[in-house]
Amino acid sequence: DAMVIQNPRYQVTQFGKPVTLSCSQTLNHNVMYWYQQKSSQAPKLLFHYYDKDFNNEADTPDNFQSRRPNTSFCFLDIRSPGLGDAAMYLCATSRDRLAGVETQYFGPGTRLLVL
Amino acid sequence: KNQVEQSPQSLIILEGKNCTLQCNYTVSPFSNLRWYKQDTGRGPVSLTIMTFSENTKSNGRYTATLDADTKQSSLHITASQLSDSASYICVVSAGNNFNKFYFGSGTKLNVKP
Repeated sequence: DAMVIQNPRYQVTQFGKPVTLSCSQTLNHNVMYWYQQKSSQAPKLLFHYYDKDFNNEADTPDNFQSRRPNTSFCFLDIRSPGLGDAAMYLCATSRDRLAGVETQYFGPGTRLLVL
Repeated sequence: KNQVEQSPQSLIILEGKNCTLQCNYTVSPFSNLRWYKQDTGRGPVSLTIMTFSENTKSNGRYTATLDADTKQSSLHITASQLSDSASYICVVSAGNNFNKFYFGSGTKLNVKP
């Protein structure tokens, strides 16, 4: 059974048109993460939620926002997508923060195309 | 500067052969090191997690080693299979509370029949 679900798997948007990517989890994990991964590059952490506590990475552009209305769902909002935002967006969860041997579970990703 | 370097960038091997992927890091203070397998178009899947005191950890045909003194790790794949074709990413965590983690750029492995 899928544990971290991302919808849609593929998303096409227009330059400057707001877009929302969705992530849900059935693991009841406290922590949810959003990563951006461009072709042939390692994933780059954008932000994470520890329960309702939002933690933004210092170099995440203001164009990227996130919402976590409940434990199961987390959304990535891109307010004005640019061509450079075309990438795979990965959602991940962990039971607690990755301080020790917590396993991080990734979703299959949403591939975003900006026209 | 905290960095994670992986080598080689890409590797082609024949099915059934063994291979070793390398990860060198300068992350400090060290918390843990993880190896992930990422199939094309999919999210990464955790293979191993090692803390400071662990030297070796196995997961089936995957064996990771860690030398915290030299800040090096390796991932050894035994008797490779076509399904091992993927990118392998090394991630090193730093800090005590919430870890800051640093990703390597990955090694792309292609196993040919």
